[in-house]
Amino acid sequence: NAGVTQTPKFRVLKTGQSMTLLCAQDMNHEYMYWYRQDPGMGLRLIHYSVGEGTTAKGEVPDGYNVSRLKKQNFLLGLESAAPSQTSVYFCASGHLRPGGVNQPQHFGDGTRLSIL
Amino acid sequence: GESVGLHLPTLSVQEGDNSIINCAYSNSASDYFIWYKQESGKGPQFIIDIRSNMDKRQGQRVTVLLNKTVKHLSLQIAATQPGDSAVYFCAESYHTDKLIFGTGTRLQVFP
Repeated sequence: NAGVTQTPKFRVLKTGQSMTLLCAQDMNHEYMYWYRQDPGMGLRLIHYSVGEGTTAKGEVPDGYNVSRLKKQNFLLGLESAAPSQTSVYFCASGHLRPGGVNQPQHFGDGTRLSIL
Repeated sequence: GESVGLHLPTLSVQEGDNSIINCAYSNSASDYFIWYKQESGKGPQFIIDIRSNMDKRQGQRVTVLLNKTVKHLSLQIAATQPGDSAVYFCAESYHTDKLIFGTGTRLQVFP
């Protein structure tokens, strides 16, 4: 059982280039999330999805797009990378909340992205 | 090396001692709280959670305490081991499935 898998693990881009980060989960979770983590800060939510075909903006969505075409996959796209997007990106997934009760999110090991 | 965690508050404890990591949360309406452990180069790992209708919850070697009056959350680790060295994050949620994370505390365990 792999849990949450992120690819690639490392990437270096030049300003203006585009790329897609892939997240895959094998736990049949409805919810999926993309976060970024910067030095000295906690995780900040970029975008999230409550189910296949649905996405929503988080705290810091500008400069990113996402897609959830399959339940198990959540893609994060950078159309025109900027140095301010240098960060560590984490994907997470979680269950629906039966009866309105929260469940823990499960995280991948991150993608370390540098924009030159 | 891992750049996440620069300038974090640090708690240094001796192996075998108990550790207490504190967290102040922001929203008095938050109804769910969770602690994560993050080791260098890894993603956050779930430790323990607690709902707002509880004051205390225990796991294996860990206890979470919730004080809603002063909006304070703490994580107690009993008999701290070298493997407990990591950055610890608290997070809160208020009526949604989105988590708001704190900035983290680095725990260093020395022999």
